[in-house]
Amino acid sequence: EAQVTQNPRYLITVTGKKLTVTCSQNMNHEYMSWYRQDPGLGLRQIYYSMNVEVTDKGDVPEGYKVSRKEKRNFPLILESPSPNQTSLYFCASSFYVEGGELFFGEGSRLTVL
Amino acid sequence: SQQGEEDPQALSIQEGENATMNCSYKTSINNLQWYRQNSGRGLVHLILIRSNEREKHSGRLRVTLDTSKKSSSLLITASRAADTASYFCATDEDTGGFKTIFGAGTRLFVKA
Repeated sequence: EAQVTQNPRYLITVTGKKLTVTCSQNMNHEYMSWYRQDPGLGLRQIYYSMNVEVTDKGDVPEGYKVSRKEKRNFPLILESPSPNQTSLYFCASSFYVEGGELFFGEGSRLTVL
Repeated sequence: SQQGEEDPQALSIQEGENATMNCSYKTSINNLQWYRQNSGRGLVHLILIRSNEREKHSGRLRVTLDTSKKSSSLLITASRAADTASYFCATDEDTGGFKTIFGAGTRLFVKA
């Protein structure tokens, strides 16, 4: 089954404790992206990647890091989480790097205390 | 930056009625897409319309695009209770790398 898998789905952590949210897709997609969703703000792009070892900042990259060492994986790293990073995070992938249908994971709800 | 802005923010209708949602954007785009999200779940792609297209249909969905006004509309005909969800427009813009930017969404509630 074609899918984008995120883990963990739910996480409560404390300020400053490094964490990684994993994302994996099994569709051989070139393009992958991370979004965060906050009430009233819709989805805002954090980082995106157009291919292995090619990543770029989205609209809200501060406090986040990503890597794309393999085509299927695109982890999101919070080196020192803060309460303003409490949010619902979505990973998405697409076959087309020039835009097109995005396939979304089920989301990771992160709470930073 | 927030590219697409949906209108209205929330819409409540009776089952069987049509639902129309609008989206406005600011910059030149390659494509415009509509997505649906059930409460807290991942987004699901509904339809994509390219910048050189004016109208597109998919089942009970009809999307229009007016690039001169930088606006799009999504019409859901004969709505059902199961259509209750949030709907987002998303624009694909060429910024050197390609970014898909989402609006804040319209919450649709269909009463049975």
